[in-house]
Amino acid sequence: AQSVTQLGSHVSVSEGALVLLRCNYSSSVPPYLFWYVQYPNQGLQLLLKYTTGATLVKGINGFEAEFKKSETSFHLTKPSAHMSDAAEYFCAVSENSGYSTLTFGKGTMLLVSP
Amino acid sequence: DAGVIQSPRHEVTEMGQEVTLRCKPISGHDYLFWYRQTMMRGLELLIYFNNNVPIDDSGMPEDRFSAKMPNASFSTLKIQPSEPRDSAVYFCASSLYSQETQYFGPGTRLLVL
Repeated sequence: AQSVTQLGSHVSVSEGALVLLRCNYSSSVPPYLFWYVQYPNQGLQLLLKYTTGATLVKGINGFEAEFKKSETSFHLTKPSAHMSDAAEYFCAVSENSGYSTLTFGKGTMLLVSP
Repeated sequence: DAGVIQSPRHEVTEMGQEVTLRCKPISGHDYLFWYRQTMMRGLELLIYFNNNVPIDDSGMPEDRFSAKMPNASFSTLKIQPSEPRDSAVYFCASSLYSQETQYFGPGTRLLVL
């Protein structure tokens, strides 16, 4: 069975600072990994995903994530935070097998201060 | 494509009333998912369909909840009778394959008084 752990329900950064949101997963087969973003009063929107190939994945709005199999991690980073990045971020995992569906983490709220 | 469409966007009802939430998935997507999001429990998968057939409804809270997908372009989630603890945001999502990217609708914010 697959699972996702997001460390920290809230992360606070200053505008211009590095953003690091942590995600660890467990999966019995090679995983598909996703980051979604949810702005207030909106649905979840795909930020980036890893399926196969290059382990460093670039997404929208300057975000990127690196798949590290040895660490079972898929942390999300952005070099310089912007006020508009304030939102909730969800990591998700699925498996390339059968009826596997996405399993979401509990989410991390990113707060950006001026 | 217009994306996943949900209606209504907001619903306020009184305890005991029937509530019907509607979803139109992205055309061509074979999978449709219903989620519930609350502050306390986060994002919960309620049920999902493949080619209009329910595959896993283990997340449906109780018999008061039911979901149908009569055709590839329409699904409903019904709560009867509704209770205050059902107050939440309900999301519909669709995807091409079960393990691939899910595209979410804007959600229905339900308040049961």
